[in-house]
Amino acid sequence: SQKIEQNSEALNIQEGKTATLTCNYTNYSPAYLQWYRQDPGRGPVFLLLIRENEKEKRKERLKVTFDTTLKQSLFHITASQPADSATYLCALAVLYGNNRLAFGKGNQVVVIP
Amino acid sequence: DAGVTQSPTHLIKTRGQQVTLRCSPKSGHDTVSWYQQALGQGPQFIFQYYEEEERQRGNFPDRFSGHQFPNYSSELNVNALLLGDSALYLCASSLSAGGQETQYFGPGTRLLVL
Repeated sequence: SQKIEQNSEALNIQEGKTATLTCNYTNYSPAYLQWYRQDPGRGPVFLLLIRENEKEKRKERLKVTFDTTLKQSLFHITASQPADSATYLCALAVLYGNNRLAFGKGNQVVVIP
Repeated sequence: DAGVTQSPTHLIKTRGQQVTLRCSPKSGHDTVSWYQQALGQGPQFIFQYYEEEERQRGNFPDRFSGHQFPNYSSELNVNALLLGDSALYLCASSLSAGGQETQYFGPGTRLLVL
């Protein structure tokens, strides 16, 4: 069966450190993968997109890697700040050529001042 | 640009009732997708509308139906509500042309079924 797995345990991290989140998937062949941020009671906010032929993408303090052999993406927040505290969702494009997304459950990050 | 807007923000219904949720996409976007997000879960794809037609559908029963209007706004209708339909309903808009994959989500409608 198809699965998208993110760590169910919250990640507590000291301010200034790098937070690293993992997204593993099975029985998908995504054309691209996206990461979203979601605050409580709010809709997800798009952060980064990485395509199947890309290894790494960066945006400010965020970095995403995508390994289609391992079927894994890593999401890094460097120099983390308390304002980075949120739930981060991994999403895969289900089929090539459309933007129907399949989401993981999300991974909560808590940055401790 | 107001971004994606949804109404109402919260709604309380009882089992068996029907509900209509509304979504206005981001300016210039022509595709609207609806997602259901239960507490502690990731969003699940319900369906997608483009050019006033349902283009794709997820694993949801026929009680869930939708519509897209000529101005690209959209409605989600749920009939014969069940307790399990309680969730945050998210609308996402995107631009179909030119490989624009980024989806912009609205704030959601929180539906509680009693």
